[in-house]
Amino acid sequence: GEDVEQSLFLSVREGDSSVINCTYTDSSSTYLYWYKQEPGAGLQLLTYIFSNMDMKQDQRLTVLLNKKDKHLSLRIADTQTGDSAIYFCAEGGSSASKIIFGSGTRLSIRP
Amino acid sequence: ETGVTQTPRHLVMGMTNKKSLKCEQHLGHNAMYWYKQSAKKPLELMFVYNFKEQTENNSVPSRFSPECPNSSHLFLHLHTLQPEDSALYLCASSQEEDRGYSPLHFGNGTRLTVT
Repeated sequence: GEDVEQSLFLSVREGDSSVINCTYTDSSSTYLYWYKQEPGAGLQLLTYIFSNMDMKQDQRLTVLLNKKDKHLSLRIADTQTGDSAIYFCAEGGSSASKIIFGSGTRLSIRP
Repeated sequence: ETGVTQTPRHLVMGMTNKKSLKCEQHLGHNAMYWYKQSAKKPLELMFVYNFKEQTENNSVPSRFSPECPNSSHLFLHLHTLQPEDSALYLCASSQEEDRGYSPLHFGNGTRLTVT
């Protein structure tokens, strides 16, 4: 069945760039998403990319999509302590129920 | 009020209690969802409502009973829960478009503890 995989942990130094990677299996996905979850909160939509795009930039965030390899990445430039959170990759959009989430990558920032 | 609002934020209930979770979306979306988020498990889709009609029920036990009176409101009625039902319950909404469904917008969740 469809699956979304991402590494569980990432630690970066404050001010460096963070790159969170994700692989997915469903090539029919319309959208690919990145969500951020801070402690005690729900999932906040950070950014998303249509499946016919290769890249999307939004301020400090850059999303890269490699459809051939079914690989999605999120780059956060100049990582700050406020970026500490769990980041979820997800694919879907073709039907209301067919949105698959990864298990999340916990990003921690060290001084 | 904007976005997706869930109440209560925290709920502690005994196994014999009956309670309800409430969700309201102010985004004009036509689809609403209940998800369950447990520690060390992927996000689980429980129910989907599209134009107020339930279109998905992912083998959820009958002790969870959803209700969608209109496209802006969604409830999850709880009764005779088990301790393993303790989790964060997230409501979300989205909009059906020509090319599919727009991204999900989530509420902040209800942290449920069953004692």
